Amino acid sequence: AQKITQTQPGMFVQEKEAVTLDCTYDTSDPSYGLFWYKQPSSGEMIFLIYQGSYDQQNATEGRYSLNFQKARKSANLVISASQLGDSAMYFCAMQEGGGNKLTFGTGTQLKVEL
Amino acid sequence: NAGVTQTPKFQVLKTGQSMTLQCAQDMNHNSMYWYRQDPGMGLRLIYYSASEGTTDKGEVPNGYNVSRLNKREFSLRLESAAPSQTSVYFCASGRQGRNEKLFFGSGTQLSVL
Repeated sequence: AQKITQTQPGMFVQEKEAVTLDCTYDTSDPSYGLFWYKQPSSGEMIFLIYQGSYDQQNATEGRYSLNFQKARKSANLVISASQLGDSAMYFCAMQEGGGNKLTFGTGTQLKVEL
Repeated sequence: NAGVTQTPKFQVLKTGQSMTLQCAQDMNHNSMYWYRQDPGMGLRLIYYSASEGTTDKGEVPNGYNVSRLNKREFSLRLESAAPSQTSVYFCASGRQGRNEKLFFGSGTQLSVL
């Protein structure tokens, strides 16, 4: 079974609109972390936001927020007020079982349109 | 401001050739990682080193070896390159412990002909 599932290979959003990128995960470890990274066309991996399994509140970082629904095992990324520079590949990743290695999903390609 | 430095940025090999990808970090991180990225498959872990002196296999270790030379450096070696190893390779590092994000290098684009 896939540990991290991103079901949207590609998404389009109008500039200034909000967009939600889906991520579901599978783990039996009660203590885990969920991360989102952005990969622009230049190729670098940019950390966006983190949510711990025991965190009571949803994480937010500027225009990024994480809609964490623990019972449903989902950790969706919400980008508010989309900008052209948000066009990129977005990866959801999970850390579990001790240590800090990450398991990644297959990614969602986001395109922001005028 | 170097962070994680990978060399080379691009490489073309012929089948059967060997090469070593170099990675160095200047953030005093204990953990280092090698991932490969293929279209439609996300990033997959090849090998990692949780601390200096230790290395462990990840999800796709076949055809690769690693060396944790010291705390700063973690190299990935392809002994006999195959076309299936054509990929983008990323080195990453992070502080010890759970819930610590990883910092990534800029990647190496490798083509094996």
